[in-house]
Amino acid sequence: EPEVTQTPSHQVTQMGQEVILRCVPISNHLYFYWYRQILGQKVEFLVSFYNNEISEKSEIFDDQFSVERPDGSNFTLKIRSTKLEDSAMYFCASSVGRGAYGYTFGSGTRLTVV
Amino acid sequence: DQQVKQNSPSLSVQEGRISILNCDYTNSMFDYFLWYKKYPAEGPTFLISISSIKDKNEDGRFTVFLNKSAKHLSLHIVPSQPGDSAVYFCAAVSSGGGADGLTFGKGTHLIIQP
Repeated sequence: EPEVTQTPSHQVTQMGQEVILRCVPISNHLYFYWYRQILGQKVEFLVSFYNNEISEKSEIFDDQFSVERPDGSNFTLKIRSTKLEDSAMYFCASSVGRGAYGYTFGSGTRLTVV
Repeated sequence: DQQVKQNSPSLSVQEGRISILNCDYTNSMFDYFLWYKKYPAEGPTFLISISSIKDKNEDGRFTVFLNKSAKHLSLHIVPSQPGDSAVYFCAAVSSGGGADGLTFGKGTHLIIQP
């Protein structure tokens, strides 16, 4: 069964450092997403990406965050200057269509900011 | 601002019996609802969904019921099996409103007892 692959599984970074989380979506999917889950809290939508541009973003997705699909297969989330409160599980997801379709999620990257 | 609420953090059910997980929402613009299952250290896995034009959708052991007037949906699992032990998330989207991002509830931890 096709999978969404995320690397690394765990990333530790110092506060103020830039971090890039990587995802390989399912190859025939057209919509790509990032979500995060702070420990003990709910899964929160960050951003959706379609046709090489951001389709929708939440209030959480401020200027510190950016996304890119650099080579047609990878989908990355960059956090420019990490803060302690950015520590969370970050999930990438992809779908054939928008919104109403069941996404396929990756296994997540645990980001720990120290 | 909890637009999707799962008021039971945990639920314990005997193997073979029915598990009923509940979810309430406040945003009347939501027109598509999804249930996800999550094991530790994995991403959410899509289970079943329902459009707001329907009141029931069934897939094997899983049935989702939607009561639009009450803004309430429920997931029924019959019969419950040990492998069903996981955290279940209710999610909603306003796809007709052009949204991509899912709004998740906080999840219910289902424990199936032998």
